[in-house]
Amino acid sequence: DQQVKQNSPSLSVQEGRISILNCDYTNSMFDYFLWYKKYPAEGPTFLISISSIKDKNEDGRFTVFLNKSAKHLSLHIVPSQPGDSAVYFCAASGTASKLTFGTGTRLQVTL
Amino acid sequence: GAVVSQHPSWVICKSGTSVKIECRSLDFQATTMFWYRQFPKQSLMLMATSNEGSKATYEQGVEKDKFLINHASLTLSTLTVTSAHPEDSSFYICSARDRRWTEAFFGQGTRLTVV
Repeated sequence: DQQVKQNSPSLSVQEGRISILNCDYTNSMFDYFLWYKKYPAEGPTFLISISSIKDKNEDGRFTVFLNKSAKHLSLHIVPSQPGDSAVYFCAASGTASKLTFGTGTRLQVTL
Repeated sequence: GAVVSQHPSWVICKSGTSVKIECRSLDFQATTMFWYRQFPKQSLMLMATSNEGSKATYEQGVEKDKFLINHASLTLSTLTVTSAHPEDSSFYICSARDRRWTEAFFGQGTRLTVV
């Protein structure tokens, strides 16, 4: 049972444009959400997070939006840069504090 | 962000032998450490959670006698894959968290190949 889903396995965006990565979850007990960026053969790098009491969190080029009623979150990257090309995982956490990861979306930023 | 160091980054071992992977938090006290496994093109699957000084809590389907986890100090956790077999070949990643934080930081991962 995949509690955190990223339905788009890949996304291609032109440099300078906005990248929007989506994530859906099913467990209503999740109250904290994170996005990680991962390069091949490396561990994930924390990008940005959001608590369920908020609906938006912004950090530089990265903004995460949370729609609790729809159990949906998204990561916006603007402007997209070639160095942003990587696999992005969303993750969710509840009271047990362990993270449940989505399946990842491979972002390719083209010149 | 905080630094988590994982060693080795890759290892090749013979079937039937045991392999130990270390995970260290370099600039914070890791009260909780997590061990994940990732198969190619798949998500990170949590194997176990360990709190310093306590026995690890294993996820369903993970053999605790095969994947031995030790978290004896606030800066070090180890995962030992015992009697490794080719199907254990995978990418293993640790993450660590201070009890004051909500986010966890990840090590670089270890590529294990069992031949």
